[in-house]
Amino acid sequence: GQQVMQIPQYQHVQEGEDFTTYCNSSTTLSNIQWYKQRPGGHPVFLIQLVKSGEVKKQKRLTFQFGEAKKNSSLHITATQTTDVGTYFCAGTDSGGYQKVTFGTGTKLQVIP
Amino acid sequence: DVKVTQSSRYLVKRTGEKVFLECVQDMDHENMFWYRQDPGLGLRLIYFSYDVKMKEKGDIPEGYSVSREKKERFSLILESASTNQTSMYLCASSERGLAGVGLEQYFGPGTRLTVT
Repeated sequence: GQQVMQIPQYQHVQEGEDFTTYCNSSTTLSNIQWYKQRPGGHPVFLIQLVKSGEVKKQKRLTFQFGEAKKNSSLHITATQTTDVGTYFCAGTDSGGYQKVTFGTGTKLQVIP
Repeated sequence: DVKVTQSSRYLVKRTGEKVFLECVQDMDHENMFWYRQDPGLGLRLIYFSYDVKMKEKGDIPEGYSVSREKKERFSLILESASTNQTSMYLCASSERGLAGVGLEQYFGPGTRLTVT
């Protein structure tokens, strides 16, 4: 079945440093979504990428979808303490019907 | 304001008990999902439903069943709870997109289930 891996599992950064998490799928994806889960909270949708090679930005966050639609990345520029949380990617298999597979998540800790 | 609610935030049950976890959404979404979240494993899909009375197995359906009698309600049932089912359970809903294209999921607050 489809597997979605994320690296790293954990990341500690000093406030102001950049951060990147990578997402890799074993199969080609129709689209990829990114979610953020604050400590003690539930996942909240950030963005969706659909096109091969697509790049989207939300303020300090940059999201990329690979050319082969099997990988994606989330980059945060100049992290802030409000960025703390776990970031998940979630991919829809191109052969599937609405079934979304979540990645293992990257837990970000920002040291003030 | 979209809302997904779950019947309990915390639940403690004994091994062998039958457990019902309820999820209700008020967004008229076609799709509903049940996940369990464990440290280091991310969110794993147990079951999902794309319409009333319809269900599809996710990645880890063993030991679980589901029921969707009404569009807004999706129930997860543990027929005979076991200690390895101690976990955080998250319900989510989404609109139905074009086939193969998942849409934004809205999550409930989660139920932390402990089986002793």
